[in-house]
Amino acid sequence: TQLLEQSPQFLSIQEGENLTVYCNSSSVFSSLQWYRQEPGEGPVLLVTVVTGGEVKKLKRLTFQFGDARKDSSLHITAAQPGDTGLYLCAGVRGSTLGRLYFGRGTQLTVWP
Amino acid sequence: GAVVSQHPSWVICKSGTSVKIECRSLDFQATTMFWYRQFPKQSLMLMATSNEGSKATYEQGVEKDKFLINHASLTLSTLTVTSAHPEDSSFYICSAPLRKTGTNEQFFGPGTRLTVL
Repeated sequence: TQLLEQSPQFLSIQEGENLTVYCNSSSVFSSLQWYRQEPGEGPVLLVTVVTGGEVKKLKRLTFQFGDARKDSSLHITAAQPGDTGLYLCAGVRGSTLGRLYFGRGTQLTVWP
Repeated sequence: GAVVSQHPSWVICKSGTSVKIECRSLDFQATTMFWYRQFPKQSLMLMATSNEGSKATYEQGVEKDKFLINHASLTLSTLTVTSAHPEDSSFYICSAPLRKTGTNEQFFGPGTRLTVL
């Protein structure tokens, strides 16, 4: 069973549309990270959220950490073809140098 | 952000041979590194945790005699796939956490594409 349930698994949209990706769990995380990965490359860290209720913005991307630190969301406004990629959420439980628990990933394709 | 490198970026080998993959933290020290395996369009699967100066910790179902891990220094971990077979073909990625107060930001290498013929 997956500790972090990420949805949707696949998302195919037109340029200019908005979208939201969700990561949910019944477990509490000390922090949660969002990564973006392109084919043939390693994941690149987008953001880390630590505090319950925290909201962080990165240009057109908005990240939110749930109040109870069990869930998170990524919202993209006016998606562009350059946003295409695999988005991964990953949580840390306890230790600040502990393993990451990954969601299944969301493969986003934005068509021009 | 911190930089993690991997070498080689891709390798093709014959069935039965062994392949070594290196993971280096270039501008920080890492007492712990993680090794992942990834299939196309899927998430990362943790294989093992590499610990400097001690034995690696393997995830359930990962054969430690097949996937040998050596954390030789504070900046280098190696993964050796012994007697590789076609089913070992995959994308292997390492990561290293950067010690920062209150968070666990991990930085990933660019990955190694292994193809076993």
